[in-house]
Amino acid sequence: DTGVSQNPRHKITKRGQNVTFRCDPISEHNRLYWYRQTLGQGPEFLTYFQNEAQLEKSRLLSDRFSAERPKGSFSTLEIQRTEQGDSAMYLCASEGPGKPQHFGDGTRLSIL
Amino acid sequence: SQQGEEDPQALSIQEGENATMNCSYKTSINNLQWYRQNSGRGLVHLILIRSNEREKHSGRLRVTLDTSKKSSSLLITASRAADTASYFCATDPGDDKIIFGKGTRLHILP
Repeated sequence: DTGVSQNPRHKITKRGQNVTFRCDPISEHNRLYWYRQTLGQGPEFLTYFQNEAQLEKSRLLSDRFSAERPKGSFSTLEIQRTEQGDSAMYLCASEGPGKPQHFGDGTRLSIL
Repeated sequence: SQQGEEDPQALSIQEGENATMNCSYKTSINNLQWYRQNSGRGLVHLILIRSNEREKHSGRLRVTLDTSKKSSSLLITASRAADTASYFCATDPGDDKIIFGKGTRLHILP
């Protein structure tokens, strides 16, 4: 099963450190989405790519957050100078034309 | 921001009973989708209903959509222990993004 893969599954870091997450989508999917999910809430949209182009960023995505999808395949989400409020599950999903989104199992970030 | 709002927030039923969850939303949509999320895992797509459809079935799932009331319901018949999960509705307003509600946490009692 070549589903959406996210690494790492868990990340614990100290406040102020930088973290980077990786998402490997389903290979034939051209769209890739990043979401943030906190306890008891649904996923909140952060940003998405069509191939390598980043088409939209949510206002939730402060300037400490940056996402890339350099070759239109895998994507990275970096958070600089992490804060307590960044603790959440970060979910990635990919989507092919006319298809529903397929999600990875997420990266759970804990800020000490 | 979250457009959809599921009701109830939590639901506990006996195995074998039917479970009904409702979703209300605010703006016009192209389609509405339901997803399931097991604890600590990603979301799994269950079913999509288009704005011109009123009802759709998939196995033990039945989804209805009332665009005049901006609401949808998900019915799971003959529930099983494996159905224990959080269920989210997601609306597609036609701008390449879907917007999730807060979810209903369903617990199936043995």
